[in-house]
Amino acid sequence: GQQLNQSPQSMFIQEGEDVSMNCTSSSIFNTWLWYKQDPGEGPVLLIALYKAGELTSNGRLTAQFGITRKDSFLNISASIPSDVGIYFCAGQSQTSGTYKYIFGTGTRLKVLA
Amino acid sequence: NAGVTQTPKFQVLKTGQSMTLQCAQDMNHEYMSWYRQDPGMGLRLIHYSVGAGITDQGEVPNGYNVSRSTTEDFPLRLLSAAPSQTSVYFCASSQGLTKNIQYFGAGTRLSVL
Repeated sequence: GQQLNQSPQSMFIQEGEDVSMNCTSSSIFNTWLWYKQDPGEGPVLLIALYKAGELTSNGRLTAQFGITRKDSFLNISASIPSDVGIYFCAGQSQTSGTYKYIFGTGTRLKVLA
Repeated sequence: NAGVTQTPKFQVLKTGQSMTLQCAQDMNHEYMSWYRQDPGMGLRLIHYSVGAGITDQGEVPNGYNVSRSTTEDFPLRLLSAAPSQTSVYFCASSQGLTKNIQYFGAGTRLSVL
């Protein structure tokens, strides 16, 4: 089935460093969502993006809807240990149906104190 | 503030057994979905519903049945469990097409022996 290309798959960083991850697709999307999943829990929404070029922040998190509508980026500034988890992007497009989302394979983040 | 509630949290089945994974939401959301999460695969859509009495297949529907008799509940049935159905299952709900944000339950971890 169709999935998004999300990178990197995993990363180890030092506390205080900035983190960047991205998702790319061959399809044009009209909505991008970014989720975080803690161990043993369901994904929790971090940021939602609805327009090409849109840049939205949520605390130390900033996400952007790419101009081409085929990619999105998530940045985490000054990482802390509780940022550990798996980050997923999800995209919604006309071809996937008006309701269905396609999910990336996740970026596993580990923060070294 | 219950949101999306899934039961059970853990389940072990023998091959060939049947069971129902329960999902309930108290947000009066029209749309509900079931996903499975496997290592390295992200979230894959099994079945979804756009309202009571309406269901449709997602990306990986084989071996699973659903029904939607009420707005609140969306159970997922495994008719004859197989080891390939060992996974973590997530239920999600969302309010509609405009700014369609999905909210997830905490998941059901299923092992089929």
